[in-house]
Amino acid sequence: GENVEQHPSTLSVQEGDSAVIKCTYSDSASNYFPWYKQELGKGPQLIIDIRSNVGEKKDQRIAVTLNKTAKHFSLHITETQPEDSAVYFCAAGGRAGNKLTFGGGTRVLVKP
Amino acid sequence: DTGVSQNPRHKITKRGQNVTFRCDPISEHNRLYWYRQTLGQGPEFLTYFQNEAQLEKSRLLSDRFSAERPKGSFSTLEIQRTEQGDSAMYLCASSSDSWGEKLFFGSGTQLSVL
Repeated sequence: GENVEQHPSTLSVQEGDSAVIKCTYSDSASNYFPWYKQELGKGPQLIIDIRSNVGEKKDQRIAVTLNKTAKHFSLHITETQPEDSAVYFCAAGGRAGNKLTFGGGTRVLVKP
Repeated sequence: DTGVSQNPRHKITKRGQNVTFRCDPISEHNRLYWYRQTLGQGPEFLTYFQNEAQLEKSRLLSDRFSAERPKGSFSTLEIQRTEQGDSAMYLCASSSDSWGEKLFFGSGTQLSVL
């Protein structure tokens, strides 16, 4: 089955700096790669996603890149703000049923 | 539409008891998923429904677990004879019936087995 690795597990940045989270996946059949943000006591919230026919996607301060050949994808957050502090999860899916396999998560702390 | 709704938000039970959780998906979403999340880990897939049909179950879903979606709307997840290892956040998500469509999660039910 699919296996998703996520790094780093924790990330501390100064407000205004950029944050980058990287993920790798194992199943070449995966073709859908969402990113979720989870705050304490809440469920994961979809923040951005990308499909395998696209190499990069941007939404305001958030961007995601995908290298299908190398089977890795990354989340970039620019001009970080304290409200960006949360746990971020990458996932891979898109096969029958779109069952998602999640990475282990990255705890991001933005210091004011 | 208020999104995916899960009840209860918290459940404390004693080992050996049965528990049942409910999920109300976003209306008109015909796919419904159950995931389990333990502390410090990403969500793990348990099972999913397309309308009322349960199409896939993870090996994580032991025979003590059963899920239903009788009318293709809300779903229930029951755990019989709970064990301490069942303590986790149980998350429900829904999506529309489209290849690779977005999954929207509820806030989860936090289960603590004493």
